[in-house]
Amino acid sequence: EIVLTQSPGTLSLSPGERATLSCRASQTVSSIYLAWYQQKPGQAPRLLIYGASSRATGIPDRFSGSGSGTDFTLTISKLEPEDFAVYHCHQYGTSLTFGGGTKVEIK
Amino acid sequence: QVQLVQSGAEVKKPGASVKVSCKASGYTFTSYNINWVRQVSGQGLEWVGWMNPNSGDAGSPRKFQGRVTMTRNTSISTAYMELSSLTSDDTAVYYCAKSGGRIIPAENWFDPWGQGTLVTVSS
Repeated sequence: EIVLTQSPGTLSLSPGERATLSCRASQTVSSIYLAWYQQKPGQAPRLLIYGASSRATGIPDRFSGSGSGTDFTLTISKLEPEDFAVYHCHQYGTSLTFGGGTKVEIK
Repeated sequence: QVQLVQSGAEVKKPGASVKVSCKASGYTFTSYNINWVRQVSGQGLEWVGWMNPNSGDAGSPRKFQGRVTMTRNTSISTAYMELSSLTSDDTAVYYCAKSGGRIIPAENWFDPWGQGTLVTVSS
């Protein structure tokens, strides 16, 4: 099973700042098989990024994904108030696994 | 728009079974896999299994094999996930989610998700 480790566990930032979230895999993940989701309290996850770097429909361009091999990154260029949430990475190339999540909270 | 609507919250006793439904609309139900994911309160996401609504083929990770059954009724575009031999460890919110595309695994991201169904296992 491919284990995904997300870091940091919690990121404390102010609106307008840049957020950089990491997702590290225990084995190589083909870049086309990596997705990111946003989850707000009491809500279901929402797809942000698929194929490591493709934005889902309706997702603002302040969200970007990058990476390859075992290291992937989600970047939020300038945090808006609605971006404070939990973010999950997901690999779907070898079976299916999720990372433990990163909480982006208001500093 | 594409939407998945799940059945309501359930309370079950240890040893019982629970069956959660997921009604799809806004797309051709038989063209995309349905997946099931659960989330224990305050924790991460855990994949429970998948089903092809066209063929009825289904699968799950080893942890759930023998305990989870995924079925569908194509006439009403609804998928079902039944989990048996429940314990307190199964208390979680269960989500259904549509595969992003028809090509598996290349398009097997999840979009959209249902609203979630809270399953509570308590004596």
